[in-house]
Amino acid sequence: NAGVTQTPKFQVLKTGQSMTLQCAQDMNHEYMSWYRQDPGMGLRLIHYSVGAGITDQGEVPNGYNVSRSTTEDFPLRLLSAAPSQTSVYFCASQGLTSGNTIYFGEGSWLTVV
Amino acid sequence: DQQVKQNSPSLSVQEGRISILNCDYTNSMFDYFLWYKKYPAEGPTFLISISSIKDKNEDGRFTVFLNKSAKHLSLHIVPSQPGDSAVYFCAASAPRSNYQLIWGAGTKLIIKP
Repeated sequence: NAGVTQTPKFQVLKTGQSMTLQCAQDMNHEYMSWYRQDPGMGLRLIHYSVGAGITDQGEVPNGYNVSRSTTEDFPLRLLSAAPSQTSVYFCASQGLTSGNTIYFGEGSWLTVV
Repeated sequence: DQQVKQNSPSLSVQEGRISILNCDYTNSMFDYFLWYKKYPAEGPTFLISISSIKDKNEDGRFTVFLNKSAKHLSLHIVPSQPGDSAVYFCAASAPRSNYQLIWGAGTKLIIKP
């Protein structure tokens, strides 16, 4: 009963480094998304995808890149990490026929120094 | 400009009593509202939702009330239990928004023994 799986759970990066947060779901959901959560703020949408080969920007896309080559996987790439990208990142998925119920991964804690 | 506001960052309630968490929104186009619960070091999990065609939805100890004229919704937990201690997020979506949710900043609920 895996649901949404994110890796890594914790990561420390130096400014300017790049990295990829992995996300996989086994529920055959069409819709996948990445959020970041910062203290005192709600979840903010970074990028989302409504199906394989289709991605779009959310509220805070700058500095991030995504691709959706399969239904299951939706990796998030940090191109050149900055301290402002220190945050908790959540991957999520939902089936487009199941209303707006979103299923989240456990989160990835990223620190950029 | 926050479209979804949870004005109480935290709330402390005695075990067995009622917990009431509030959420206000500004966008009259929102037609679907959700509450998510989040424990530390875990992803948010879906709790309960309500469509704008209803003014109340109940699921066990959890009831969500929607007041469209006041653009206000609330989550009632009765009776409150220690396991209810968590951060609660309110989220909303509008038609034709490509399934995007707008999130409040969350309210940390602490249930005192």
